[in-house]
Amino acid sequence: GENVEQHPSTLSVQEGDSAVIKCTYSDSASNYFPWYKQELGKRPQLIIDIRSNVGEKKDQRIAVTLNKTAKHFSLHITETQPEDSAVYFCAASHYNQGGKLIFGQGTELSVKP
Amino acid sequence: DGGITQSPKYLFRKEGQNVTLSCEQNLNHDAMYWYRQDPGQGLRLIYYSQIVNDFQKGDIAEGYSVSREKKESFPLTVTSAQKNPTAFYLCASSPLDRGDEKLFFGSGTQLSVL
Repeated sequence: GENVEQHPSTLSVQEGDSAVIKCTYSDSASNYFPWYKQELGKRPQLIIDIRSNVGEKKDQRIAVTLNKTAKHFSLHITETQPEDSAVYFCAASHYNQGGKLIFGQGTELSVKP
Repeated sequence: DGGITQSPKYLFRKEGQNVTLSCEQNLNHDAMYWYRQDPGQGLRLIYYSQIVNDFQKGDIAEGYSVSREKKESFPLTVTSAQKNPTAFYLCASSPLDRGDEKLFFGSGTQLSVL
């Protein structure tokens, strides 16, 4: 089955710097790659997603890149702010597998003012 | 609030006891999922269901059971066979349409052992 590895497990940046989180997946059939943000004690919230027919997607300060050949995808946050501090999860799925998402282990991002 | 309601927010289980976590959605989504989250770890899939009266095991189904008698409801029972049940449990749903596999999460249930 699918396996998703996420790095780093913790990341600390200064406010205004950029943050990058990387994930690799094992199943070449996976075609949907979302990123979730989870604040302490809260539910995960979708922040951006990408499909396998697209190499990059941006939404204001957030961008995701996908390299299908290497089977890895990354989350880029620019001009970080203290409210970006949270745990971020990457995930992968394939429609023909019931849409079930397989998650990475999570990255705890801390943005210091 | 997102259309998915989990209850209770906190639940305590005694040794040898079965407990049931409730999950209801009014989004008319076909698929529903249960994930377990342990501190500092990712979300692990317990069970999922794509249609009423059908469900499949996820990666960590042992010690858990589910039912899907109605499209709106997908309760999870943590049985006494689950020896380490303390965790944060998240229910999710998805329309499961081609081109729309987004998962919407409930607010979670924190289960602890007395």
